[in-house]
Amino acid sequence: EAGVTQSPRYAVLQEGQAVSFWCDPISGHDTLYWYQQPRDQGPQLLVYFRDEAVIDNSQLPSDRFSAVRPKGTNSTLKIQSAKQGDTATYLCASSFELGEREQYFGPGTRLTVL
Amino acid sequence: GQGVEQPDNLMSVEGTFARVNCTYSTSGFNGLSWYQQREGHAPVFLSYVVLDGLKDSGHFSTFLSRSNGYSYLLLTELQIKDSASYLCAVRDGGYKVVFGSGTRLLVSP
Repeated sequence: EAGVTQSPRYAVLQEGQAVSFWCDPISGHDTLYWYQQPRDQGPQLLVYFRDEAVIDNSQLPSDRFSAVRPKGTNSTLKIQSAKQGDTATYLCASSFELGEREQYFGPGTRLTVL
Repeated sequence: GQGVEQPDNLMSVEGTFARVNCTYSTSGFNGLSWYQQREGHAPVFLSYVVLDGLKDSGHFSTFLSRSNGYSYLLLTELQIKDSASYLCAVRDGGYKVVFGSGTRLLVSP
């Protein structure tokens, strides 16, 4: 069984540039999460989906961040006009269903904003 | 507000044990998970608890006290390769998952 895949693995931007992250969850997993993990901190939930519906995006900076999962499978997280404070690893995770005890994480995208 | 707290660092010696503590305050509770994360890698699931008491899973054991908002992960017969960060993650009443900042365990020879 293939795990959660993410791309790109690394991204380096200047402030003000845009970037998109892509995630392919494990097949059959209806719940997908996006986390931001700054260095030496734990993952911080940005948004999560059940199928194509957003369940909670209250921690997503809506003025610059957006996330979609149009067909309930792959997902894209986009940052418009990146800031240095966005420097972090962006992790995607999936679970079989909402409330499942285990989340399966992808390798993450390490973003550096100069 | 919601919060999950863990000590930043923990040191122990190969062959002994280490206890990683976690305290939490959330709106409702639907379980607590522990993950291991190595430097530069994604978190990997270790254990899940939802009922009070000690759950023995061999090398890893977990304890939960819901009334005290407290859990610990106990690692026994430590090996050097157990050196990693250990993350506590609490699922609140709305199924939102809140992670702690992680405890970095260093196992020395």
